[in-house]
Parts: sequence; C-alpha cells; structure tokens
Amino acid sequence: LAKTTQPISMDSYEGQEVNITCSHNNIATNDYITWYQQFPSQGPRFIIQGYKTKVTNEVASLFIPADRKSSTLSLPRVSLSDTAVYYCLVFSGYSTLTFGKGTMLLVSP
Amino acid sequence: GAVVSQHPSRVICKSGTSVKIECRSLDFQATTMFWYRQFPKQSLMLMATSNEGSKATYEQGVEKDKFLINHASLTLSTLTVTSAHPEDSSFYICSARERGTSGGGVAEQFFGPGTRLTVL
Repeated sequence: LAKTTQPISMDSYEGQEVNITCSHNNIATNDYITWYQQFPSQGPRFIIQGYKTKVTNEVASLFIPADRKSSTLSLPRVSLSDTAVYYCLVFSGYSTLTFGKGTMLLVSP
Repeated sequence: GAVVSQHPSRVICKSGTSVKIECRSLDFQATTMFWYRQFPKQSLMLMATSNEGSKATYEQGVEKDKFLINHASLTLSTLTVTSAHPEDSSFYICSARERGTSGGGVAEQFFGPGTRLTVL
C-alpha cells in the first residue's frame, strides 16, 4: 500500500481558496487517489477521486502531476462549514481504504 | 450517492454486556463491508473486512472472539462487541463496497454515519 503524507493541520479564512497537498511517492501504476472529508462524530464523506491530471466536481478540484507522486485537493472559497479533517488515500481496484492521519482544516471568519 | 446506515447511532452500556451494531446498505448490494474504529482525535483504524456469506478477516491485534462480525446478506452486516469494557468505548464506523465497479475500474466505498459506544 502506498503511504501518504499530508500536513497535520491548516488554517484559512472564509472565502479563500485552500489547497491541501498530499505526497504518495510510492504510488503504483494501478492506484487511484481519493479524498474524503470527515466532520466530528460522523463517517467520512467522499469528496473526489482521480488517476491523473485534473478532476473537478461541484465541491472541489484534484490536481495530479504527471509523475503522480503527489496530489493537491483544492477547495474554492471555503466557508466555516468546510472545517473538517481531510484524508488523502491511495488505493487500487478492490483494495481496502487505509486512512492516514489526515489534515485538520480550520476555517475562521 | 449510495447510502449506508448504522443503528444505533449511539449506545451506552454497562461493562460486561454485549452490544450489537447494524450496518445496512440501503440502495445497493454490498459484497464487502468494512468495520473501522476511531478513538478521539485519531484516524480511522480498520478492524475487519467481511464478505457476504463468509467469515470476516480481522486486522492484526483485533480479537475476533470479542468483535463478532456477521455478514449474512448483501445489505446487512453486524458487529457485536462482546463483554464490553470501558476501553472498548469508541466510534465505530462501517463501510460498504458496492458490487461491481464504477468508472475506471475502481469499486466505490461508502461510509455509514458511525456509532458512538460508551461503556460504563
């Protein structure tokens, strides 16, 4: 399983764009990158998933460089309700999702 | 997206009793379900993986006789914490993987809302 490394915490203000970078140096050819969001006392919620280049959905964008050794989750114009823990995971096909420590994002007014 | 429910959402029990937590996939069939445990300010730790109709596979350090997992159907898995003790107090989260694949050859995994267990 490819190990992921991401910042323990980040601070931002409402309305700003937040970029959380995750490194996964030993990602395998078949691996995908996925990001989950978790609020206190709730289960993780899927945000976005990608394999290479850029993926965008209604809540976030995921940037993956050509070497795929890192990825960046971009949250446009965050609000207070985006305060949560964000997990970067690398997995392939039917492998099990293994969670790292995640990044605690605190959005202030 | 697909919905996974858990019941109960929170439970308080006395030390020595057993507690059963249900995990259901509401609108899809899940061939594989996962049970995670999360202590305060920590990440999710995988406890076991269960496939419908077969015995669960437990992670190292997780006592299979203490945490009984049953996955009797494609929509229901149960976790029973037997002879619970205060150190078993935690947030238990189940996850279900949808049958088949979706886009790009990757099976999506959906998480339940979690169950807060407090053992007195």
